[in-house]
Amino acid sequence: SQQGEEDPQALSIQEGENATMNCSYKTSINNLQWYRQNSGRGLVHLILIRSNEREKHSGRLRVTLDTSKKSSSLLITASRAADTASYFCATDSGSSNTGKLIFGQGTTLQVKP
Amino acid sequence: DTAVSQTPKYLVTQMGNDKSIKCEQNLGHDTMYWYKQDSKKFLKIMFSYNNKELIINETVPNRFSPKSPDKAHLNLHINSLELGDSAVYFCASSQVAGGSYEQYFGPGTRLTVT
Repeated sequence: SQQGEEDPQALSIQEGENATMNCSYKTSINNLQWYRQNSGRGLVHLILIRSNEREKHSGRLRVTLDTSKKSSSLLITASRAADTASYFCATDSGSSNTGKLIFGQGTTLQVKP
Repeated sequence: DTAVSQTPKYLVTQMGNDKSIKCEQNLGHDTMYWYKQDSKKFLKIMFSYNNKELIINETVPNRFSPKSPDKAHLNLHINSLELGDSAVYFCASSQVAGGSYEQYFGPGTRLTVT
């Protein structure tokens, strides 16, 4: 079964607003990653958070991880039209060292200028 | 310089044909992957090679066969193409195998089987 599930599936906001996307997963993990995919392009890595971390920042991105709830959130502050894309969380299996990532279904974000 | 490149970008073919997709990375990474993304954007790992050795082989029809001639290249050959094979196929690489390493994705190959 799919490891990561994201919520909401689609989000539409105005430029300047904040966007929050959530990800839930089922099994224990060592790391959780977030990726962005612009339309018709490959995925781009945004941020990685380890299971012993609770929060991480990178520019306008803020990621939180709650391992007790098996969930993570990605916050994009002061959104821009260029942030329009699909966002995916990806988890490792927790016990494997193969690099296997299991991706969520993604959240499609539209930022209106 | 393109880090992970794939050819072709688009591939339209008929059922029953055999086709190949090529992938190359110039990052010096040890590990490469093939993913399939369906029409609902669900992305699923298919295969992974680490230094030319197969380390991930998910439940994929044996019509799909990966080949890694060296650690910078990972090709995907598909025999007897079926309608359900239509999808976008992504190649990716990471420094080494492990969930703590970010993966670098190619631009994707959109395969359409008619």
